[in-house]
Amino acid sequence: GAVVSQHPSRVICKSGTSVKIECRSLDFQATTMFWYRQFPKQSLMLMATSNEGSKATYEQGVEKDKFLINHASLTLSTLTVTSAHPEDSSFYICSARDRNRGDTGELFFGEGSRLTVL
Amino acid sequence: GQNIDQPTEMTATEGAIVQINCTYQTSGFNGLFWYQQHAGEAPTFLSYNVLDGLEEKGRFSSFLSRSKGYSYLLLKELQMKDSASYLCVVMDSNYQLIWGAGTKLIIKP
Repeated sequence: GAVVSQHPSRVICKSGTSVKIECRSLDFQATTMFWYRQFPKQSLMLMATSNEGSKATYEQGVEKDKFLINHASLTLSTLTVTSAHPEDSSFYICSARDRNRGDTGELFFGEGSRLTVL
Repeated sequence: GQNIDQPTEMTATEGAIVQINCTYQTSGFNGLFWYQQHAGEAPTFLSYNVLDGLEEKGRFSSFLSRSKGYSYLLLKELQMKDSASYLCVVMDSNYQLIWGAGTKLIIKP
């Protein structure tokens, strides 16, 4: 099956620093990747949709300048949390859609990255 | 607006059967997914329905009625490891995914 790798799985940083999270599709090409955040005991919240070679589409209420998304290739998307603050502490998850499966297939999820900002 | 409704929490007994319902109102329809998510982990795919009817996959089955905007996930022979949140997700006419809030399923011995 298709595999999505997310790195790092856990990161602890100081307030004011920036953190980059990578999402890679290992055995398929992903024209579209999605970034979510999830607070404890809550559902996934879509932050943005990342399309290869173009700017990400952000959901309402998500700060574009704070959550920088780059989808430079068909297998890699990155999320950078800039000037992180304690309220940014959350579980960030990426998912990818296999371009060869079109819109009839499932999403493949990364393992998630738990960010803790001190 | 677009809306997906599913119960917040359900409790069932090990070995029993449980049905998790999902109703939706979306701008068009291009399929409905069910995902399982254990606490602290990413969701895993369970099923995909785009036509009316029942799709069976081992202990799990998923049903869809497009005219009623309704789906259910049926879990048989419940095991303790089935304790998780179950997410109902609809793809609308623009191929955007609309996520339900999830149903937390608690399995008791």
